[in-house]
Amino acid sequence: SQQGEEDPQALSIQEGENATMNCSYKTSINNLQWYRQNSGRGLVHLILIRSNEREKHSGRLRVTLDTSKKSSSLLITASRAADTASYFCATDGDTGANSKLTFGKGITLSVRP
Amino acid sequence: ETGVTQSPTHLIKTRGQQVTLRCSSQSGHNTVSWYQQALGQGPQFIFQYYREEENGRGNFPPRFSGLQFPNYSSELNVNALELDDSALYLCASSLTGLGENTIYFGEGSWLTVV
Repeated sequence: SQQGEEDPQALSIQEGENATMNCSYKTSINNLQWYRQNSGRGLVHLILIRSNEREKHSGRLRVTLDTSKKSSSLLITASRAADTASYFCATDGDTGANSKLTFGKGITLSVRP
Repeated sequence: ETGVTQSPTHLIKTRGQQVTLRCSSQSGHNTVSWYQQALGQGPQFIFQYYREEENGRGNFPPRFSGLQFPNYSSELNVNALELDDSALYLCASSLTGLGENTIYFGEGSWLTVV
């Protein structure tokens, strides 16, 4: 079953604009991760935020986590056409193992040049 | 390039047949996980292998089985294929035991069951 629910399901923006994607989840987590997937290819790890962290930055990426609301957001600033892809949030369980991930259905981001 | 390689990249099987998918994990990684991703959906956890033992399983029937070898490479076997098994199968490798580490995914194996 899917743990995360991303919102919106699809997002279309102009190059240079910021893209904000949201994720909600249901159970307690150790951490939440965001992944990117180009069409029909493997997943690329973008960023991991631990349950005791509220915000994290990596290059043009900014992730926030609100454990009280069981939600996270991914912000991509100054978007580029190459950012066009599907984005997934994934949560781990509370077992301590870090690779039993539960993914949402994903958000399709289209960046128009 | 994640260092995780999967084979074959694409294959077509007939309903009722059996399939074996292979994964070579990143050098030094001792944990391999397998995920099934149906079209338009997020990946679903199938199972994980750590030091050649199954270390957790998702909601998949017993006809999905796996192996991990001493060199940490892995196989996913699916018996009695059904049409709904058509999906992208992703292998992920990681290092368990030294705290949280990045998980590296392969490019996947596309399975079509006809």
